[in-house]
Amino acid sequence: DGGITQSPKYLFRKEGQNVTLSCEQNLNHDAMYWYRQDPGQGLRLIYYSQIVNDFQKGDIAEGYSVSREKKESFPLTVTSAQKNPTAFYLCASSGQGRSNEQFFGPGTRLTVL
Amino acid sequence: AQSVTQLDSQVPVFEEAPVELRCNYSSSVSVYLFWYVQYPNQGLQLLLKYLSGSTLVKGINGFEAEFNKSQTSFHLRKPSVHISDTAEYFCAVSDDGTYKYIFGTGTRLKVLA
Repeated sequence: DGGITQSPKYLFRKEGQNVTLSCEQNLNHDAMYWYRQDPGQGLRLIYYSQIVNDFQKGDIAEGYSVSREKKESFPLTVTSAQKNPTAFYLCASSGQGRSNEQFFGPGTRLTVL
Repeated sequence: AQSVTQLDSQVPVFEEAPVELRCNYSSSVSVYLFWYVQYPNQGLQLLLKYLSGSTLVKGINGFEAEFNKSQTSFHLRKPSVHISDTAEYFCAVSDDGTYKYIFGTGTRLKVLA
């Protein structure tokens, strides 16, 4: 089955630690995205990548980093510089072009203790 | 830049009653519009999309939406809701010139027995 997987489903982190969230897709999509979701605020774009080895900052990139070494993978690192990292993180992918819908993974809930 | 407004943060409705969830977007020469549904602690699933052509778009689970260019709206409707429709619904527009989506803040639909 084609789709997007995110792991882990739940993640706990101590303050001051970096943590990496995994996102893998087997849809052969060129574009991948990371969103942060907080109650009442909808989805906010963290980073996106239109092609391997290239990515752009979204609206709230501070305190986050990404890499895109493979077409299938787009891991997100939440660094200790992110002041309020507790949130629900969603990964998505799409084909090239504005008309292509984004397909979403099941999400990772990160809690900072 | 595009923007999306979902005026209703919560919509309670009784089972088997009709419902309309409102979405307005900022004006653009060309626009691609999407509605997504999110069940608790899950990713987003595409309900329907408008790219061009007929202004009435039918989607999954009995939902439909009407694109109204003069009112810059893309309201989501269902003639008879079920308990299982309880979820959060997001409207999104594809930004001009990029692969980015602009999401609304979401509308929480609660279907009452």
